[in-house]
Amino acid sequence: DAGVTQSPTHLIKTRGQHVTLRCSPISGHKSVSWYQQVLGQGPQFIFQYYEKEERGRGNFPDRFSARQFPNYSSELNVNALLLGDSALYLCASSSGGLSVYNEQFFGPGTRLTVL
Amino acid sequence: GIQVEQSPPDLILQEGANSTLRCNFSDSVNNLQWFHQNPWGQLINLFYIPSGTKQNGRLSATTVATERYSLLYISSSQTTDSGVYFCAVKGEYGNKLVFGAGTILRVKS
Repeated sequence: DAGVTQSPTHLIKTRGQHVTLRCSPISGHKSVSWYQQVLGQGPQFIFQYYEKEERGRGNFPDRFSARQFPNYSSELNVNALLLGDSALYLCASSSGGLSVYNEQFFGPGTRLTVL
Repeated sequence: GIQVEQSPPDLILQEGANSTLRCNFSDSVNNLQWFHQNPWGQLINLFYIPSGTKQNGRLSATTVATERYSLLYISSSQTTDSGVYFCAVKGEYGNKLVFGAGTILRVKS
């Protein structure tokens, strides 16, 4: 079975631009979460989506938004890019709804560089 | 919110040596996962272990939830074990994984 997939793998943007990152969860998983990992740190939670609704949001500005589609894939959008948005963006999926007991599985990430 | 501390921050081992990585957390958890992040950034699931002990080959993990810590044991280390090891937890009502800062492991041949 395919794991979590993300696209693109790498992306280079300039300050002020907009970016869209994509994620497809493991087949049968309905919950998708997004994390940002800057160099030298652990991943930080951005959003959780379940059944196409936002179920949780981390401490990120409104420039960050996301959505989930009927097939449970998800997009993360970032507007007005700043240099500090350069990071590895990770998508995770889990089964079993919103239970705190669900194990999360991560995709390979999208490495975003903002120049 | 819940805090996660991992130790040591860095570890250098000779191939074949054993090691113990520690994860302390500040509150009750219902979910604890250990990950290995490879040089390409992929987070690989090692253990889902909110309590108890599990083993998978040369790796094992123990979580003592009442004392708020978890240990990851690596035996007979190999160069392919190099990378960053993360502990991540969810609090009792949490919907997100909270990660520690990681332990950077380097195994030398």
